[in-house]
Amino acid sequence: DQQVKQNSPSLSVQEGRISILNCDYTNSMFDYFLWYKKYPAEGPTFLISISSIKDKNEDGRFTVFLNKSAKHLSLHIVPSQPGDSAVYFCAASVVEGGQNFVFGPGTRLSVLP
Amino acid sequence: DTAVSQTPKYLVTQMGNDKSIKCEQNLGHDTMYWYKQDSKKFLKIMFSYNNKELIINETVPNRFSPKSPDKAHLNLHINSLELGDSAVYFCASSQAGGKLFFGSGTQLSVL
Repeated sequence: DQQVKQNSPSLSVQEGRISILNCDYTNSMFDYFLWYKKYPAEGPTFLISISSIKDKNEDGRFTVFLNKSAKHLSLHIVPSQPGDSAVYFCAASVVEGGQNFVFGPGTRLSVLP
Repeated sequence: DTAVSQTPKYLVTQMGNDKSIKCEQNLGHDTMYWYKQDSKKFLKIMFSYNNKELIINETVPNRFSPKSPDKAHLNLHINSLELGDSAVYFCASSQAGGKLFFGSGTQLSVL
């Protein structure tokens, strides 16, 4: 059973526009959420995170929104740049639960020049 | 300096062989992990060690055995390799309550 879902396998966006990547989770015990970015032949790299006590976290062009009641989070990238083209993974964990990070299947973002 | 380094990057071997993947982190983290990215690109946790002690051991065949000689190293030994073991294996580390730092991955191909 997938506890973390990313229902869009791929997304194409024009350079300069906003990219919105979505993630849904089923386990209400999750209290820490992260987004990772992955280029081919490299390991995932951390992008941004949010604790369940917040509903928004912003870092430069990247903003993560958390809607706990809907068990939904989203990553906004604005403005999108060609270098943002990568696979984005959503991950969730229970901080006191042994740090078992559960990952979604990823969304491939293509930013078109 | 690479924070989490794993070797080798590519590993091609025959069915039935035994192989090891090494991982080292220089971040001073207490917890290290092995993740497997399968053909469907899912990243699934295999093992987690905290200060050399096994914390998480997901449903993984016992042909896979992690070994942590110290908290900076977590190696993965795989015995009697099977075709289905072909995947990308990622080592990672974290500090308590913190984010994961990943290595660059080991692409294992079993022929």
